[in-house]
Amino acid sequence: DTAVSQTPKYLVTQMGNDKSIKCEQNLGHDTMYWYKQDSKKFLKIMFSYNNKELIINETVPNRFSPKSPDKAHLNLHINSLELGDSAVYFCASSQDKTAIDNSPLHFGNGTRLTVT
Amino acid sequence: QKEVEQNSGPLSVPEGAIASLNCTYSDRGSQSFFWYRQYSGKSPELIMFIYSNGDKEDGRFTAQLNKASQYVSLLIRDSQPSDSATYLCAVNRFSGGYNKLIFGAGTRLAVHP
Repeated sequence: DTAVSQTPKYLVTQMGNDKSIKCEQNLGHDTMYWYKQDSKKFLKIMFSYNNKELIINETVPNRFSPKSPDKAHLNLHINSLELGDSAVYFCASSQDKTAIDNSPLHFGNGTRLTVT
Repeated sequence: QKEVEQNSGPLSVPEGAIASLNCTYSDRGSQSFFWYRQYSGKSPELIMFIYSNGDKEDGRFTAQLNKASQYVSLLIRDSQPSDSATYLCAVNRFSGGYNKLIFGAGTRLAVHP
């Protein structure tokens, strides 16, 4: 049973296109995240939702729009894709937005996005 | 200055040796510190967390924290080839009622037989 699952695993698309990545967790966690990992392995938080409410919104272009239809799902839609958007995008979840010491992040397997 | 800094490596150690991975952070108010391991093409997985000064041991892994020096390290004893991976240091920033993990760029460890 996959705890945090993302689809698709690979996404190759052209500049200017719009694409979505989906994430689902079956851990019963309240908080979900999107992280971006660039080619230098630098993992940076983009967004976080707690019970469908946006709680973290880092300095991310507004071409990126997260949506959380319920607390088990967090999707990421990207408009007008650019070359610099190429990266691995990780979804993650944690039980509690406040007690991270006892509620570590569980990551999905990542979506490798390549923009040509 | 990056919030969390790590030497990118690669750190190459022989099998059976102790691997020492280091991390410094800039925010003096940080309270919780984490080490994640990431195999190539895989997702990060938590190895350990520490929030008190001193050492914390878990099997072959020991995390060390020195808040005065803003320094966190991870020691891996009896290193195995299967330990070859990128090790990510992460620092928690708690603000506005929620947590945000800030990651370093990772140190690549290569354990050779």
